[in-house]
Amino acid sequence: SQQGEEDPQALSIQEGENATMNCSYKTSINNLQWYRQNSGRGLVHLILIRSNEREKHSGRLRVTLDTSKKSSSLLITASRAADTASYFCATDSYGGSQGNLIFGKGTKLSVKP
Amino acid sequence: EAGVAQSPRYKIIEKRQSVAFWCNPISGHATLYWYQQILGQGPKLLIQFQNNGVVDDSQLPKDRFSAERLKGVDSTLKIQPAKLEDSAVYLCASSLVQTGYEQYFGPGTRLTAT
Repeated sequence: SQQGEEDPQALSIQEGENATMNCSYKTSINNLQWYRQNSGRGLVHLILIRSNEREKHSGRLRVTLDTSKKSSSLLITASRAADTASYFCATDSYGGSQGNLIFGKGTKLSVKP
Repeated sequence: EAGVAQSPRYKIIEKRQSVAFWCNPISGHATLYWYQQILGQGPKLLIQFQNNGVVDDSQLPKDRFSAERLKGVDSTLKIQPAKLEDSAVYLCASSLVQTGYEQYFGPGTRLTAT
């Protein structure tokens, strides 16, 4: 079963704009991770936020976590054409099999030059 | 550091045939995962190994899928016999420890069963 649900399913923006993707999940978590997948490639880890953290930054990425609403958001600032990819959130659930990440269906981001 | 290696990259088989995929994780990574990613969906965990022991195989269709990680390093995933619905990308990932750390993914093997 898939725990994380990303929203929107698809997003199209112009280069230089910001992109925001949201993720909702159902059960308590140890941490939440965001991954990027370019077409035909494996997944690349972007950022991990632990359940006791509320916000984290990495370069042009900003992730927030609201455990009371069971939701997270990923913000990519000043987007580039190279950011075109699918973005997945994945949860490492509390009490579940440790390290067993449950992925959402992803948000497909298209950045037009 | 070398990444997670997988082979083959592509495989086309007829239904009811057998197929095997190979994965070599990042050196020193104790935990190895196999995921199935159907087109348009996120990856779904099939099996997780810690060294050469199985931690979680609850979503592995054991009537046709099997996996092993001999000597706690590389791993093979086998489907025998394949069905049309097994068409997917099979991703291998590894991590330093079980939880709280990122997973490193290989490029995947795209399986087409006809």
